[in-house]
Amino acid sequence: KQEVTQIPAALSVPEGENLVLNCSFTDSAIYNLQWFRQDPGKGLTSLLLIQSSQREQTSGRLNASLDKSSGRSTLYIAASQPGDSATYLCAVNGDSNYQLIWGAGTKLIIKP
Amino acid sequence: DTGVSQDPRHKITKRGQNVTFRCDPISEHNRLYWYRQTLGQGPEFLTYFQNEAQLEKSRLLSDRFSAERPKGSFSTLEIQRTEQGDSAMYLCASSQRVAPEGYTFGSGTRLTVV
Repeated sequence: KQEVTQIPAALSVPEGENLVLNCSFTDSAIYNLQWFRQDPGKGLTSLLLIQSSQREQTSGRLNASLDKSSGRSTLYIAASQPGDSATYLCAVNGDSNYQLIWGAGTKLIIKP
Repeated sequence: DTGVSQDPRHKITKRGQNVTFRCDPISEHNRLYWYRQTLGQGPEFLTYFQNEAQLEKSRLLSDRFSAERPKGSFSTLEIQRTEQGDSAMYLCASSQRVAPEGYTFGSGTRLTVV
């Protein structure tokens, strides 16, 4: 059974710092992994999608990496801004091919 | 196309009442998913459709829950005889085929049962 873990559960850093969020999964048989952002009380915004054959994806100040063999993904945020404050969730699309398996998220606070 | 739309955004209902939510997916997406999310947790899978066919249902979807996608376009999720434990954010997502481009989520419907 696939399990997804995100560490840390919460993170608070000063504005301008670079930071890394971690996501680990127990079963390496995945189709893809997706990082989402969720603002309080809101829906989910897709940030980056990494296919199982890819190693990383970049969008602006965000870079996501994937190491299937070790069951790990990281989301790197460069030059953090207060507007980056949100909960970041990773989700794995596994062998069922229809169901995303989610981590519980990392709540990020960027202090001005 | 403006993405996945969900209606209503918020719903407050009394225990025992029935509620219905609507989801309009991205038009070219033939897969549609419903998830439920409680505070501080990741979303939990409820059910999914490929076109009009409901192909999988989670055990979380008790017999008080029913979902339809009658013409393979919009979908409705109905909860009968609501309970306080049904209070959550209900999220809809859509994707193409086997989701090579990933999933697109709507803004969700927040249900509060009082």
